[in-house]
Amino acid sequence: EPEVTQTPSHQVTQMGQEVILRCVPISNHLYFYWYRQILGQKVEFLVSFYNNEISEKSEIFDDQFSVERPDGSNFTLKIRSTKLEDSAMYFCASSPDRGLGNSPLHFGNGTRLTVT
Amino acid sequence: RKEVEQDPGPFNVPEGATVAFNCTYSNSASQSFFWYRQDCRKEPKLLMSVYSSGNEDGRFTAQLNRASQYISLLIRDSKLSDSATYLCVAHTGRRALTFGSGTRLQVQP
Repeated sequence: EPEVTQTPSHQVTQMGQEVILRCVPISNHLYFYWYRQILGQKVEFLVSFYNNEISEKSEIFDDQFSVERPDGSNFTLKIRSTKLEDSAMYFCASSPDRGLGNSPLHFGNGTRLTVT
Repeated sequence: RKEVEQDPGPFNVPEGATVAFNCTYSNSASQSFFWYRQDCRKEPKLLMSVYSSGNEDGRFTAQLNRASQYISLLIRDSKLSDSATYLCVAHTGRRALTFGSGTRLQVQP
């Protein structure tokens, strides 16, 4: 079964540094997402991406965040200047449509970001 | 008010027990609903969609009550491997999925 893959599995960075989290969505999917989950808290939506542009973003996704699909396969999340409160598990997801149907989102296994 | 609200639990049940989780959603425009399962420090995985007529998948039964804005998940004959956090998820229009905080289930031998 095709999978969403994320790298790295764990990233440790110092406050103020830039990080790029990488994702390879399932190849025939059209919608891409980033979610995050702070330890012990709920899964929170960050951004959705379709047709090479952001289709929706949450209030969490401020100017320090950006997303890019630099080629036909990768989907990246950049955090420009990390803060301690950015420490979380970041999940990439993709879907063939806007989340309707029997298998709305396929999640990657996540990148654990630790900001020190 | 939270968009999707769940009892955090934990629900501690013996193997073989039947357990039910409830979830309420605040946005009456929500159209689609799902139950996801999340193991500790892992990604959410789709367990099942929730249909208005109710649907069953093996030991799992999901129900939706649109009038009360209420969703339920019933697990029969609990297995040790069912121990996880169960996430109630709503989809509203063109928006991305909204997750509840999850209900933790611990099945004990």
